[in-house]
Amino acid sequence: QVQLTESGPGLVHPSETLSLTCTVSGFSLTGYSVYWVRQPSGKGLEWMGRMRYNGDTSYNSALKSRLSISRDTSKNQVFLKMNSLQTDDTGTYYCTRDLAHWGQGTLVTVSS
Amino acid sequence: DIQMTQSPSSMSVSLGDTVTITCRASQDVGIYVNWFQQKPGKSPRRMIYRATNLADGVPSRFSGSRSGSDYSLTISSLESEDVADYHCLQYDEYPYTFGAGTKLELK
Repeated sequence: QVQLTESGPGLVHPSETLSLTCTVSGFSLTGYSVYWVRQPSGKGLEWMGRMRYNGDTSYNSALKSRLSISRDTSKNQVFLKMNSLQTDDTGTYYCTRDLAHWGQGTLVTVSS
Repeated sequence: DIQMTQSPSSMSVSLGDTVTITCRASQDVGIYVNWFQQKPGKSPRRMIYRATNLADGVPSRFSGSRSGSDYSLTISSLESEDVADYHCLQYDEYPYTFGAGTKLELK
């Protein structure tokens, strides 16, 4: 059974760095791509970036200067790091396998 | 970046209605459009992939179509469980881009 679970700090202060982990089960990270998608509260979805099955990454051009996606295949984990957070980065962050299987999302609040 | 212009932004609907939501792509994205349903507090659920293909477990009252750069999601005989937000996504070219979303509300 494919499962993805996001985890992270919940609250981040402005200008700090967000670190999120997506822990997967039921499939191998060397066989499938994992994407990060976020959703500001009450707004639409935004594609952030992708960790491809072969280790390649792609990023949303609007976030590229702040965003990094990496993985640890031995731990079945994909990581998202985004720096210089501001209040409009507040929202729910999802990881998804192939956009077909989604985690439950993790709420990130940027506030002092 | 490719823009996906989704309309309408909201729609007041009745049970049994046929509902159509449309996304227009700013450039050719071929068949690489997905449609997602999202209920409050829940993760998106893929309903349609490659423009016209029904995802696993999705009721047959949902369908996807394409006419040129216009992509549509149609719900026939709307049921109460279909009242939700719907989002289109192009995944032909990076960065992938979503439409702004359509909110269905019961009259």
